[in-house]
Amino acid sequence: NAGVTQTPKFQVLKTGQSMTLQCAQDMNHNSMYWYRQDPGMGLRLIYYSASEGTTDKGEVPNGYNVSRLNKREFSLRLESAAPSQTSVYFCASRRDSLNQPQHFGDGTRLSIL
Amino acid sequence: DQQVKQNSPSLSVQEGRISILNCDYTNSMFDYFLWYKKYPAEGPTFLISISSIKDKNEDGRFTVFLNKSAKHLSLHIVPSQPGDSAVYFCAAHADYKLSFGAGTTVTVRA
Repeated sequence: NAGVTQTPKFQVLKTGQSMTLQCAQDMNHNSMYWYRQDPGMGLRLIYYSASEGTTDKGEVPNGYNVSRLNKREFSLRLESAAPSQTSVYFCASRRDSLNQPQHFGDGTRLSIL
Repeated sequence: DQQVKQNSPSLSVQEGRISILNCDYTNSMFDYFLWYKKYPAEGPTFLISISSIKDKNEDGRFTVFLNKSAKHLSLHIVPSQPGDSAVYFCAAHADYKLSFGAGTTVTVRA
């Protein structure tokens, strides 16, 4: 019953370093999502993948890239980390049926110095 | 441009009483609304939802009301319990995507 698994849980980077956040789901969901959550704000969509082989920009995509490696895995990459990318990152997945909720992982807390 | 707004950052309620959380939205294309609950250091967990064609949905202690003309939804928790202390996010769905409010922190006092 793993659901959505994110790795790592915590990471500290220096400005300019690169990093890939991993996400995997075992629910056979087609859609996957990456969000960031900052203090006093809701979750903001970075990128999403409606199906294997497709990715689309969300509300705040600048500075990020994504890869939908297969149906299970959806990774988020920071090519050159900036302090403004310090945040908690959440991955989610969703079954593509009417009115189905997204299911979230427990997040990656990322600090960029 | 924030399409989903939760104007109350916090709510304190006594155990056993009703908690009412409010949410307003601007986009008429939203077709499905959800409430998520979040504990510290965990991801949001789905609580309850409502389709845009309904005006009420109930699940145990949790009831969500939707007023489409006012573009407003609310979550009622009755009775409130200590385990309900968490951050609650309102979310609205359109075109594969969710838009979230900023959240309301609920504290249930013994």
